[in-house]
Amino acid sequence: ELKVEQNPLFLSMQEGKNYTIYCNYSTTSDRLYWYRQDPGKSLESLFVLLSNGAVKQEGRLMASLDTKARLSTLHITAAVHDLSATYFCAVNQPGAGSYQLTFGKGTKLSVIP
Amino acid sequence: DADVTQTPRNRITKTGKRIMLECSQTKGHDRMYWYRQDPGLGLQLIYYSFDVKDINKGEISDGYSVSRQAQAKFSLSLESAIPNQTALYFCATSDPTVTDTQYFGPGTRLTVL
Repeated sequence: ELKVEQNPLFLSMQEGKNYTIYCNYSTTSDRLYWYRQDPGKSLESLFVLLSNGAVKQEGRLMASLDTKARLSTLHITAAVHDLSATYFCAVNQPGAGSYQLTFGKGTKLSVIP
Repeated sequence: DADVTQTPRNRITKTGKRIMLECSQTKGHDRMYWYRQDPGLGLQLIYYSFDVKDINKGEISDGYSVSRQAQAKFSLSLESAIPNQTALYFCATSDPTVTDTQYFGPGTRLTVL
């Protein structure tokens, strides 16, 4: 059974600081997704990582994937208040395309002035 | 207009009532999904459909049924609602291309009293 663990689950950080969210998964997978969810809103796709060593960047967010370690990171650079949200990673089950996604519990990020 | 829409957006009902949640998409995707989200638990897959004739159970299908009326429409039914089905329900679609990213609707907040 595929398990996906995120840590931390709650993160309060000051504006301007850097931090990293970790996503560990238990079995081999061929793709990993990061989503953002604002309170009371839907999930917005941020990144999809398809291969070992993949790195994607958008603004102050950078995601990377290490398939050997079964680990993805979401790095936040010089945080701003607008980044406050819950971030989910999701991993597909091997050979299943994307349809059998297993989600982590989410990391609730609060960026304070 | 939104690519993935859900109706109703909010619903309060009583135990034992039959409830239908509807999802429509204009993205032209064949694959559609229903998830539920409970606080602190991430998302769990209820049902998924690859096309009108292909419907599959997800990890938590008990107590739910679905209907794929057309490529663009996928409905979720609770035959006899119970309080522990109180949750936020999301519909999603995907296109089985290289990334197969899932795109989520705005969600339906369901409360069962």
